[in-house]
Amino acid sequence: EAQVTQNPRYLITVTGKKLTVTCSQNMNHEYMSWYRQDPGLGLRQIYYSMNVEVTDKGDVPEGYKVSRKEKRNFPLILESPSPNQTSLYFCASSFGQYTGELFFGEGSRLTVL
Amino acid sequence: AQSVAQPEDQVNVAEGNPLTVKCTYSVSGNPYLFWYVQYPNRGLQFLLKYITGDNLVKGSYGFEAEFNKSQTSFHLKKPSALVSDSALYFCAVRDPGSYIPTFGRGTSLIVHP
Repeated sequence: EAQVTQNPRYLITVTGKKLTVTCSQNMNHEYMSWYRQDPGLGLRQIYYSMNVEVTDKGDVPEGYKVSRKEKRNFPLILESPSPNQTSLYFCASSFGQYTGELFFGEGSRLTVL
Repeated sequence: AQSVAQPEDQVNVAEGNPLTVKCTYSVSGNPYLFWYVQYPNRGLQFLLKYITGDNLVKGSYGFEAEFNKSQTSFHLKKPSALVSDSALYFCAVRDPGSYIPTFGRGTSLIVHP
């Protein structure tokens, strides 16, 4: 089954404790991206990657890091989480950089205390 | 700069009646337009897209949308609503050449039995 898998689905952590949210897709997509969803703000892109070893900032990259060492994986790293990073995070992938629709993971709800 | 507006936070409709969820956009060139649906505790799912060609686009679950260039709109429609259509709907736009899609804030569709 074609899918984007994120882990963990739910996480409660404390300020400053590094964490990684993993994302993996099995569709051989070149384009992958991370979004955060906040009430009243819709989805905002954090980082995106057009291919292995190629990443770039989205609209809200502050406080986040990513890496793309393999085509299928695109982890999101919060090196020193803060309460304003409490949010619902989605990983997505697509065939085309411009015209392809996005395939989303199920989401990771992160709470930073 | 690209932007998208979903003017209604919530749309209420009776089952069996037609539904419309509104979306207007602003881009510098010809837009790439998308609709996604999000069910509770799930990731976003692709419904339909407009890239070029016929202004009326048909998508999943009986939904369709009409691209109107003069009104810069891409409203989502369905002739007969189902209770199971109740969900959060997002419109997204991508300016040609932009790697970053812009999502609307979402419209909650509630279909009453």
